[in-house]
Amino acid sequence: QKEVEQNSGPLSVPEGAIASLNCTYSDRGSQSFFWYRQYSGKSPELIMFIYSNGDKEDGRFTAQLNKASQYVSLLIRDSQPSDSATYLCADTGYSTLTFGKGTMLLVSP
Amino acid sequence: DTGVSQDPRHKITKRGQNVTFRCDPISEHNRLYWYRQTLGQGPEFLTYFQNEAQLEKSRLLSDRFSAERPKGSFSTLEIQRTEQGDSAMYLCASSSSRNNEQFFGPGTRLTVL
Repeated sequence: QKEVEQNSGPLSVPEGAIASLNCTYSDRGSQSFFWYRQYSGKSPELIMFIYSNGDKEDGRFTAQLNKASQYVSLLIRDSQPSDSATYLCADTGYSTLTFGKGTMLLVSP
Repeated sequence: DTGVSQDPRHKITKRGQNVTFRCDPISEHNRLYWYRQTLGQGPEFLTYFQNEAQLEKSRLLSDRFSAERPKGSFSTLEIQRTEQGDSAMYLCASSSSRNNEQFFGPGTRLTVL
């Protein structure tokens, strides 16, 4: 059974700082990962996906995948209070997603 | 709005009652997934369909849970003889078979009294 581990947080950063969110995964064969953002009481929203080793950038977001270390990260530059949410890392598998518990991010003005 | 929709958004029921939830996927998506999420946890996969075929159902939580997608469009998730431990958010997602990018609906929050 796949496992994805995330620190539950909260991770607190000041507005304008870089937020670094991390997860580790158990399946050495895993190829790709998604990052979802979930506001309190809402459903998860897909914000980034990464399919290969290295970095992928999209606006203020950068996803990083290190298969040798079985480590995935999400960097959020110029953090805004509106980024305050829980960030879920998901191992895509063949067709189903295995989620971590999520890391709560708090961005203070 | 062409996103995933779910109905009802909230359901309160008494223990022992049956409940049914509906999910309408994004129209061009042929895959549909059901997840359950409890407080402080990530979504937990339950089952999924490709068109009308249910390709994975071993992760349904018990035989009280069943899902259908009879015409390959909308899907229903039924929980029979509900228990207090079934209280959770039930999420539906859809994707195309070209990639696995799953988009979630707003969820149905179930409370079992």
